Amino acid sequence: TQLLEQSPQFLSIQEGENLTVYCNSSSVFSSLQWYRQEPGEGPVLLVTVVTGGEVKKLKRLTFQFGDARKDSSLHITAAQPGDTGLYLCAGSGGGATNKLIFGTGTLLAVQP
Amino acid sequence: DTGVSQDPRHKITKRGQNVTFRCDPISEHNRLYWYRQTLGQGPEFLTYFQNEAQLEKSRLLSDRFSAERPKGSFSTLEIQRTEQGDSAMYLCASSRGGTDTSGRVLGYEQFFGPGTRLTVL
Repeated sequence: TQLLEQSPQFLSIQEGENLTVYCNSSSVFSSLQWYRQEPGEGPVLLVTVVTGGEVKKLKRLTFQFGDARKDSSLHITAAQPGDTGLYLCAGSGGGATNKLIFGTGTLLAVQP
Repeated sequence: DTGVSQDPRHKITKRGQNVTFRCDPISEHNRLYWYRQTLGQGPEFLTYFQNEAQLEKSRLLSDRFSAERPKGSFSTLEIQRTEQGDSAMYLCASSRGGTDTSGRVLGYEQFFGPGTRLTVL
């Protein structure tokens, strides 16, 4: 069974601080996606990483896929209150369905 | 915006009643997924359609659950004889299949709808 563990589970920081969220597994994934979800809404796709060692940047967000495609990290620089939300990593084992295995999520609160 | 839409957004029902949810995927996407998310957890896979064919069902999908995608476009998820444990957010996602002109595999990216929040009293 493929599992994804995220850490930390909760993070409360002040505006302007930097933070890193980790997503780890013992399984290899064909791709890994990061989503952000607000209360009562569906997850919104932030990025997809496919190649081991890949780094993608989205404004103040930097995403990295581990060399072995088993882990990933999300780094936010100079966090803003608008970054508040639930961050979810999700891995795809590939295959015929490409169904996603989600981590438990990291709830981020950025205080002004 | 032609994203994934779901209806209704909220449903409150009494235990034992049947409920049906609808999902309209992004129009050119042939892959459609249903997930369930309970409070404090990430979404869990329920079932997958490629066009009109239901190709995979999770063990989470008991015999009280049935999903259809009759014309390969919209999909419905029905829960019969609802139980309090069915209370959750039901999420639909869609994606493309195949590869692009450069050979890159499509379909890794799944786009989610806003979800249907089910409360069973």
